[in-house]
Amino acid sequence: AQSVAQPEDQVNVAEGNPLTVKCTYSVSGNPYLFWYVQYPNRGLQFLLKYITGDNLVKGSYGFEAEFNKSQTSFHLKKPSALVSDSALYFCAVGVGNQGGKLIFGQGTELSVKP
Amino acid sequence: DSGVTQTPKHLITATGQRVTLRCSPRSGDLSVYWYQQSLDQGLQFLIQYYNGEERAKGNILERFSAQQFPDLHSELNLSSLELGDSALYFCASSAQGSSGNTIYFGEGSWLTVV
Repeated sequence: AQSVAQPEDQVNVAEGNPLTVKCTYSVSGNPYLFWYVQYPNRGLQFLLKYITGDNLVKGSYGFEAEFNKSQTSFHLKKPSALVSDSALYFCAVGVGNQGGKLIFGQGTELSVKP
Repeated sequence: DSGVTQTPKHLITATGQRVTLRCSPRSGDLSVYWYQQSLDQGLQFLIQYYNGEERAKGNILERFSAQQFPDLHSELNLSSLELGDSALYFCASSAQGSSGNTIYFGEGSWLTVV
């Protein structure tokens, strides 16, 4: 069965510093990997996805993620964090022969302090 | 704004009652997904429809049912409600129902069972 793990419940960074939110996955086929962000009392917003090709994926709001097949990871990164980046981040995985559904990790609360 | 519309935004009901949550997918999207978000379970996939047909089923209780209509809107019916059903229910849609499609989420319907 496919699964996603986000090992950190919370990540704290100072504004202007680089940030990383970690994600590892387990699937039996080729993974399709996604990152979403959820602001308080809002729905999930799509940030970026990896389907195939270049391992470094660029997304919305300056975020990027690196797909590492050998480590089964898909960490979300941003070179310089903003206070407005503070939110709940979800990593998700889909598998090629199981339709379009996504399985989500437990989420990581990102807090960026001035 | 993702283009996915959910109603109602908030709902308070008593145990044992039945409610219906409604969803209009993004224009042109054929596939609809339902997810449940709660503090203890996280984001759980419930069910997926594609062009009116059920495509995938997740952790959906027998007391819950869904359908997608010819105009592609969807409804999630929750019956014999229990306190533990209190959660945020998301509808999402994608262009097709296949893996790798980006899934766009609505703002959710907050259900409180008292």
